Amino acid sequence: NAGVTQTPKFQVLKTGQSMTLQCAQDMNHEYMSWYRQDPGMGLRLIHYSVGAGITDQGEVPNGYNVSRSTTEDFPLRLLSAAPSQTSVYFCASSPSDRLNTEAFFGQGTRLTVV
Amino acid sequence: DQQVKQNSPSLSVQEGRISILNCDYTNSMFDYFLWYKKYPAEGPTFLISISSIKDKNEDGRFTVFLNKSAKHLSLHIVPSQPGDSAVYFCAARDSGTYKYIFGTGTRLKVLA
Repeated sequence: NAGVTQTPKFQVLKTGQSMTLQCAQDMNHEYMSWYRQDPGMGLRLIHYSVGAGITDQGEVPNGYNVSRSTTEDFPLRLLSAAPSQTSVYFCASSPSDRLNTEAFFGQGTRLTVV
Repeated sequence: DQQVKQNSPSLSVQEGRISILNCDYTNSMFDYFLWYKKYPAEGPTFLISISSIKDKNEDGRFTVFLNKSAKHLSLHIVPSQPGDSAVYFCAARDSGTYKYIFGTGTRLKVLA
């Protein structure tokens, strides 16, 4: 019963490096999203997707790219990492953006950019 | 511009008493509201939700109240237990964009 799986759990990057945070869900959910959690800022929406092939920007999209080629996967790409992107990243999925259902979250990826 | 606000960063309550967590929002397009609980080093887990057509939803010890005219919702936990100690986030869904927007969280500490 995997649910939402995020990899890696921890990552340290040097400024300017690129990397992809992986997110996979096995519940056939249409809606997926990425958040970052920072002290005092709560959870802020980075990007979201309402289905395969469709993505849109959230509150803080700059410096991040996403794609949704399959229903199951929603990777988040950091193009050129900056110290301001040090954060804990959460991926979430829900059956549909339109139904009144909750989102299920992964365990998070703690990213440090030095 | 914070659309969902939790103005109390922390709250301490004695075991067995009521915990009341508050949340205010500004966007009148929000139509569905949720509360999540988060323990350290874990992802948020869903607690309870309420549709904008209702003003109250109850699930065991947890009750969520929605006051649409005041754009305010609250979560009541009765009785509070030490295991309830966690960070609580309220969230709201925008019926136009279907984005889920979260508040900044309230850290609840239930004292034994």
